[in-house]
Order: sequence, then C-alpha cells, then structure tokens
Amino acid sequence: SQQGEEDPQALSIQEGENATMNCSYKTSINNLQWYRQNSGRGLVHLILIRSNEREKHSGRLRVTLDTSKKSSSLLITASRAADTASYFCAPRVQRGSTLGRLYFGRGTQLTVWP
Amino acid sequence: NAGVTQTPKFQVLKTGQSMTLQCAQDMNHNSMYWYRQDPGMGLRLIYYSASEGTTDKGEVPNGYNVSRLNKREFSLRLESAAPSQTSVYFCASWDSEAFFGQGTRLTVV
Repeated sequence: SQQGEEDPQALSIQEGENATMNCSYKTSINNLQWYRQNSGRGLVHLILIRSNEREKHSGRLRVTLDTSKKSSSLLITASRAADTASYFCAPRVQRGSTLGRLYFGRGTQLTVWP
Repeated sequence: NAGVTQTPKFQVLKTGQSMTLQCAQDMNHNSMYWYRQDPGMGLRLIYYSASEGTTDKGEVPNGYNVSRLNKREFSLRLESAAPSQTSVYFCASWDSEAFFGQGTRLTVV
C-alpha cells in the first residue's frame, strides 16, 4: 500500500505534556506531509519534510524523517486542549504508477485534557 | 479566495437514486482528488485527476464515476446509490500541499 500508517491510533494526554505520533511507510518518497483534522472538518496541512531533510520545526511542531527506516514522527510540544484532533501523515511517492496520488492512513486521534 | 468548495454539505438519498457531488477550486491547481472517510478507516482515495481531461482510479472506485469538467471543477457521481456509500466525502486539490473542502455528509437509506 502507498499510504502511511500512523501509530498509535489514539493518544490521550494532559495539557502541557508533549505528544508524539509516528508514521511508517513502504515506498521511496519525495516528501512526507502531516495534516490535522478537527472533528467533522476537512484536513489542514501542518508541515512538509523533504526526503533529504532529517528534521524540521514549525512553532510547537517538530517533525523527523528517517528514510532508511521509512518512518517519520510528529512531536507537538506543550500541548493544548485546542490541539485535540486527528493527525494524518501522507508520504508523497517518488516514482511509479501511483506517482501523483495522495494517500492517507487511519490517523492518530489525539485528545488533550485541560 | 474560497479555496476548495464542495456542494452539497449534507444529502440523504434512497437506495438506487443518483446524485453528483460538486467540487470547485479557485487556486489554479492541476491535481484534484476525491476521498471518502468512514469511522475507523481514515481517508480512502476514490479517484484522482492529475490535470484537466485526465482521471485515474484510486483505492475504492467501484460505484463511482468522476468528471474533470475543467481545471476548476471535479465532480463525483453516484449512479445508483447503495447504503455502503454512506460516508463523508472530501474533495481536495494539490500544489505542494493538499487543500481540502469541508466535506459532504451523505446518507443512503
């Protein structure tokens, strides 16, 4: 399959704690993107990391990429109740018949308790 | 600048009825996508269009047809709706990142 697989499926933490979500994939990629989905809404792009990058930061978000292990992680520091959402990774395939398609996994449901 | 607009937002169909979900983007993107999202299943790709005039099947194309009318619009048609097509449908367009519409909640009874 071409999509990423997020782990864990569900994560529950207190405000102020850090949240770490992982993504594994199976193909060679150009980049990997993380998206957020608030309940019942469309996905919103958070951050993109290219295949030649190992780490990227954006505000309270930190993304790492290990192409040798075909895995990525998303760290949200100092979580807030407003971070409660589902988080999805989307590996962008580098070549082949599925080039151009954008696949998503089942996501990680993050709940941040006040 | 509205981004990606989907209509309708809600729809109830009877089994066997047909309908077309509309999607339009105003960002001049070439690539557009249709997904369905079911509880516990994440987003599954139904159809994909790399550019005006081209469409390709995704993971779950059976029971659906699409039409890329022009660069802005990408419609999804259910010719004979079935209860298994009850879902939330999302349209997206792509240019280095994906932009999603707000979804269409479809119930087939």
